[in-house]
Amino acid sequence: KAGVTQTPRYLIKTRGQQVTLSCSPISGHRSVSWYQQTPGQGLQFLFEYFSETQRNKGNFPGRFSGRQFSNSRSEMNVSTLELGDSALYLCASSLGAAQNEQFFGPGTRLTVL
Amino acid sequence: ILNVEQSPQSLHVQEGDSTNFTCSFPSSNFYALHWYRWETAKSPEALFVMTLNGDEKKKGRISATLNTKEGYSYLYIKGSQPEDSATYLCAFKDFNKFYFGSGTKLNVKP
Repeated sequence: KAGVTQTPRYLIKTRGQQVTLSCSPISGHRSVSWYQQTPGQGLQFLFEYFSETQRNKGNFPGRFSGRQFSNSRSEMNVSTLELGDSALYLCASSLGAAQNEQFFGPGTRLTVL
Repeated sequence: ILNVEQSPQSLHVQEGDSTNFTCSFPSSNFYALHWYRWETAKSPEALFVMTLNGDEKKKGRISATLNTKEGYSYLYIKGSQPEDSATYLCAFKDFNKFYFGSGTKLNVKP
């Protein structure tokens, strides 16, 4: 079956702009989680959506938001971009329980100039 | 702030060596412990999901153990091969979310 896809793969923005990233999960998966990885940091949890509802949220400012559609596709939005938002953004899909594997997408590399 | 620690940070071994890494996590509010392999320019790939104290999982030459009472998990690679070169991540899950360690970067020299 098709894996997790993320678009776009690369993105360059300037400070103050906003950006929307997209994630299409594996068919049948209702949970989508978003992570940020910056140089020197491990994967930091942003939020998880399950059946169109935000189920959990990490410690990120309100500039980071997301949503999930009825087909389980998810979008993440970052407003008023800062230089520190430059990172690899990964999404992962799963069936939703703690014991279910997460399947990661290839990521979106965001560069903020 | 919840801490998940992995050691060592990096490891260089020769082909054929066996090796192991450690993941330490809180011993309370445990729901699951996940192990991932992350190769350069690829996505993290799930290796094991462990949920019960005393769990042992094996996939080929790679195996993992779990001790939730003391808060650690070991990942073992028997007879390392160059294709095992990757960063190995563990992730602790409590009721709400995943907390990832910084990973152990393994380099296997032919």
